[in-house]
Amino acid sequence: GAVVSQHPSRVICKSGTSVKIECRSLDFQATTMFWYRQFPKQSLMLMATSNEGSKATYEQGVEKDKFLINHASLTLSTLTVTSAHPEDSSFYICSANHRGLGETQYFGPGTRLLVL
Amino acid sequence: GDSVTQMEGPVTLSEEAFLTINCTYTATGYPSLFWYVQYPGEGLQLLLKATKADDKGSNKGFEATYRKETTSFHLEKGSVQVSDSAVYFCALSSLDSNYQLIWGAGTKLIIKP
Repeated sequence: GAVVSQHPSRVICKSGTSVKIECRSLDFQATTMFWYRQFPKQSLMLMATSNEGSKATYEQGVEKDKFLINHASLTLSTLTVTSAHPEDSSFYICSANHRGLGETQYFGPGTRLLVL
Repeated sequence: GDSVTQMEGPVTLSEEAFLTINCTYTATGYPSLFWYVQYPGEGLQLLLKATKADDKGSNKGFEATYRKETTSFHLEKGSVQVSDSAVYFCALSSLDSNYQLIWGAGTKLIIKP
């Protein structure tokens, strides 16, 4: 149990376009979902915390108008990278809190974004 | 604030060697401690966890014991395999941090046959 999926796993887009990444908890309800960004050879950087039915809480330095997060249900959160630029190319990972297990976070497989 | 420090990598070992990756933490409350693993080209997976002092988490031959007196959660494995090559992240979370994970920098492990 406690499986989190992300879609797509890999996306290539042109500069200036928007890209939507979905994060789903497949077999549990997630009260909170987190979005991370991982740069090559570096640790994870928390971008935002997404609570179902409320606005996301963004970390300092993360542009909320550029990285739109919508947590529409207890099993789905989406991250939209608006007007993507090459510097947005990265590995984006989501995680979800398993409500029944308290603080344990389960991670999706990640989405590789390449902006040309 | 809360923080996690883990040994810098890469750590290079031969197959069947004993592994220790050190992890220490600072926290104001009573955190839960985690080890996550990221295999090449893949996302993060929870490897093991411990939620209170003296708990031992174990999985896939890996173990880590929550030591409150030394604020440590060192990862160990008695005999590593090539397939264990990955990046290992130590992390903590607590109610005080609203269950956000506080991450170590990650340690890359390379196992040579």
